[in-house]
Amino acid sequence: EVHLVESGGGLVQPGGSLTLSCAASGFIFSVYEMGWVRQAPGKGLEWISYIGHDGGTTFYADSVRGRFTVSRDNVKDVMSLQMNNLRVEDTAVYYCARDLHGGATPFDSWGQGTLVTVSS
Amino acid sequence: DIQMTQSPASLSASVGDTISITCRASQDIGRYLAWYQQKPAKVPTLLIYNVSTLYAGVPSRFSGSGSATDFTLTITGLQPEDFATYYCQRYSSAPRTFGQGTKVEI
Repeated sequence: EVHLVESGGGLVQPGGSLTLSCAASGFIFSVYEMGWVRQAPGKGLEWISYIGHDGGTTFYADSVRGRFTVSRDNVKDVMSLQMNNLRVEDTAVYYCARDLHGGATPFDSWGQGTLVTVSS
Repeated sequence: DIQMTQSPASLSASVGDTISITCRASQDIGRYLAWYQQKPAKVPTLLIYNVSTLYAGVPSRFSGSGSATDFTLTITGLQPEDFATYYCQRYSSAPRTFGQGTKVEI
């Protein structure tokens, strides 16, 4: 069974940094593209990042480009999201998600999410 | 960037009704369109991808149609468990934009 578990969320001051992790199990992590999606309180889903199966390709939403960095460790089966210069508007539940299969595909598996609160 | 616009933002329906939600892309996205369901305080789940392919385990009362820029999610015979928020998403390339969501209420 596919299992994705996010961790690392919490309260951080504006301008601060935080690193989220997504631990994967139940599938061959190294062959799947992965991504991050966030959801601000009471709002819709916002796609924020993609990483290719080998980590060699990454994409970001305009709202986070230059501040967030996605990476992965295919030995430890972990994806990370380094978030710098955090803003109040980054407050959200952050989900990691797995692509359905190779190529351009949607997310078929999601973690439970981790809450990031940016506030002074 | 390609924008995804859903309509309506919300709708009220009854058990047994047939409803449709539309999603419009600002440019041709081919068939790279998915639909997700999210229940309150729950994780989104994939319903349909490639416009009309039902994901494993999704009931056949859900169906998708459309092409290029205009897409529709139809639920035929609403069940109590279908009251939720539905999102479309394009995934042909980054940014893999979601629509703003459609809340289906009793």
